[in-house]
Amino acid sequence: DAKTTQPNSMESNEEEPVHLPCNHSTISGTDYIHWYRQLPSQGPEYVIHGLTSNVNNRMASLAIAEDRKSSTLILHRATLRDAAVYYCILRDYGTSYDKVIFGPGTSLSVIP
Amino acid sequence: EAGVAQSPRYKIIEKRQSVAFWCNPISGHATLYWYQQILGQGPKLLIQFQNNGVVDDSQLPKDRFSAERLKGVDSTLKIQPAKLEDSAVYLCASSLRVGDRVADTQYFGPGTRLTVL
Repeated sequence: DAKTTQPNSMESNEEEPVHLPCNHSTISGTDYIHWYRQLPSQGPEYVIHGLTSNVNNRMASLAIAEDRKSSTLILHRATLRDAAVYYCILRDYGTSYDKVIFGPGTSLSVIP
Repeated sequence: EAGVAQSPRYKIIEKRQSVAFWCNPISGHATLYWYQQILGQGPKLLIQFQNNGVVDDSQLPKDRFSAERLKGVDSTLKIQPAKLEDSAVYLCASSLRVGDRVADTQYFGPGTRLTVL
C-alpha cells in the first residue's frame, strides 16, 4: 500500500501563509491525495483532496507536482485555529473499499 | 446535518476487563470505519463495514477485538479482555458510497478515550 512522508512538525506566524509538504513517491494512478486535519481532542476532519490538478476550497489549496510524487497543502493565512496535526493520505479509488494508511502527520504550531 | 456520534467519550477499565464502544454514523452513510489512535500516532484502521457486511478487518486483533454493525446502521466495537496496550482513542467514521467505489470524504466522530490500568 502506498504511504506518505511528512515533516513531524512545523511552525508558522499568525496571518502568514503555510506550506505543508507531503511526499508520496509510490503513488499509483488510481490514488487520490487527501488531506485531513485533527484539532486537539477531536476526530480528524476533511480538508481537501485532488488527483492531478491543483485544487482550491474555502479552507485551503492543494498543489500537486506534475509527477504526482509530492504535494503541498497551502493555508493562505494561518490563524490560531489552524493549529492541528495535518495528515496527508492516499485513497485508492480503483478498489471497492478503502485502504487508508494514516502516518503520524505534521503538527502545525501557529505563533501569535 | 448531525455528525457521527460516539459513546462513551471516556472509559477507564482495568486490564482483563471487557469494554464496548458505540457508534451512530451519519444517516444514509453505507460505509463505517473503526480506527485506533495511540497517543502521538495517526489513526490506524481496524475494520471497515459496507452496510452490515465486513469488507476489511485485516488490522483487527481478532483474538480480543470484535465488531458488528447490525441492520447496517449503528455499530459496536468490543475488546475482551483488554490489555494495557489497548489504551488509545477509538474513532468511528462514516462515508457515503458512490456506485462501486469509495466516497470522497470520511466524517469522523469525536472518539472514545480508553485508559486500561
